[in-house]
Amino acid sequence: AQSVTQLDSQVPVFEEAPVELRCNYSSSVSVYLFWYVQYPNQGLQLLLKYLSGSTLVKSINGFEAEFNKSQTSFHLRKPSVHISDTAEYFCAVSGGTSYGKLTFGQGTILTVHP
Amino acid sequence: DAGVIQSPRHEVTEMGQEVTLRCKPISGHNSLFWYRQTMMRGLELLIYFNNNVPIDDSGMPEDRFSAKMPNASFSTLKIQPSEPRDSAVYFCASSLGDSGAFFGQGTRLTVV
Repeated sequence: AQSVTQLDSQVPVFEEAPVELRCNYSSSVSVYLFWYVQYPNQGLQLLLKYLSGSTLVKSINGFEAEFNKSQTSFHLRKPSVHISDTAEYFCAVSGGTSYGKLTFGQGTILTVHP
Repeated sequence: DAGVIQSPRHEVTEMGQEVTLRCKPISGHNSLFWYRQTMMRGLELLIYFNNNVPIDDSGMPEDRFSAKMPNASFSTLKIQPSEPRDSAVYFCASSLGDSGAFFGQGTRLTVV
């Protein structure tokens, strides 16, 4: 069984500031890790994923996350946020039986202020 | 591709009524998932299918819930009878290989 802990329920930040959304996981098997973003009244959009290989993965809109096996973490970072990044972010883990069979964290609401 | 399509987007029903939620996965995807999102419990996997066959339904809360996938392009989640505590947003998602899950817009169900 897997579990995911997102350490911050809300993160307020000013525009153009850096941000880190923290995610820790627990699993007895090898895991695959994902970050999803959810805008109000919409579905979840896949932001980035770690399956294997390089532990640093990047999205097309400037986010990146680093898989740290020793610390069982997969923190999401962005060096400079925009107002449009305001959304809820979910970290998720898959045990590998199916990449879509996900256990989600409770979510972190990122609010970017002007 | 239009993505995962769910219908209806919103459903309001009275307690005791039957509710059917519908999902059309992305063409070519061979796995389909039903998730439920509530404030109290967050996002939970209810059931998933691989090649139209139910693989894991351990997340289905009660016998009142049932899901079917008669073909590769359609799935339903049915609640009969519905109860107020079933009120939630229900998401359908599909995937192929290591693509990760792609989610629909969700159905917001309110049972009064």
